[in-house]
Amino acid sequence: DQQVKQNSPSLSVQEGRISILNCDYTNSMFDYFLWYKKYPAEGPTFLISISSIKDKNEDGRFTVFLNKSAKHLSLHIVPSQPGDSAVYFCAASYDSASKIIFGSGTRLSIRP
Amino acid sequence: DTAVSQTPKYLVTQMGNDKSIKCEQNLGHDTMYWYKQDSKKFLKIMFSYNNKELIINETVPNRFSPKSPDKAHLNLHINSLELGDSAVYFCASSQVRRRYTEAFFGQGTRLTVV
Repeated sequence: DQQVKQNSPSLSVQEGRISILNCDYTNSMFDYFLWYKKYPAEGPTFLISISSIKDKNEDGRFTVFLNKSAKHLSLHIVPSQPGDSAVYFCAASYDSASKIIFGSGTRLSIRP
Repeated sequence: DTAVSQTPKYLVTQMGNDKSIKCEQNLGHDTMYWYKQDSKKFLKIMFSYNNKELIINETVPNRFSPKSPDKAHLNLHINSLELGDSAVYFCASSQVRRRYTEAFFGQGTRLTVV
């Protein structure tokens, strides 16, 4: 039972354009959402997060949007750069869970 | 200065063997985890330890036994290895007492059972 879903396994975006990665969740108890970036042969690295009391969090080129009523979040990267090519994992947790649940990842490729 | 380090990075072994993967964190976190990334690339939690105490065991076969000698270490021992155990195993840590905190991951151990 996938509580966090990333329905697009891959995404290709031209350099300089906006990349939008989507994520859906089913557990209404989730109150903290995270995005991780993963390069081959490395561990996931934390990118940006948002708590359920907010609907937007911005950090440089990265912005995460949360739509609680739709149980949907998205990561916007603008402008996209070649170094952004990686697998992006959406993740979620709630206070008493003591664990972070991950989606299946979306492979982002930035083409010149 | 590596925050979460796990060894070895690669491990190739035969079916039926017993092997261990070690993990250490120097972040002073109170919680450590083991995640498994299978062939379909899903990252699934296996275990979670808080202050050396097991708090999550996600229906993992009992051939897998985590050991936490102290808050900074969480080792994973696997008995009677099977072909299906081939995967990348990630150790992670976080400070659960502080709400809204992210987990930091090690670089992964690619286990191949032949």
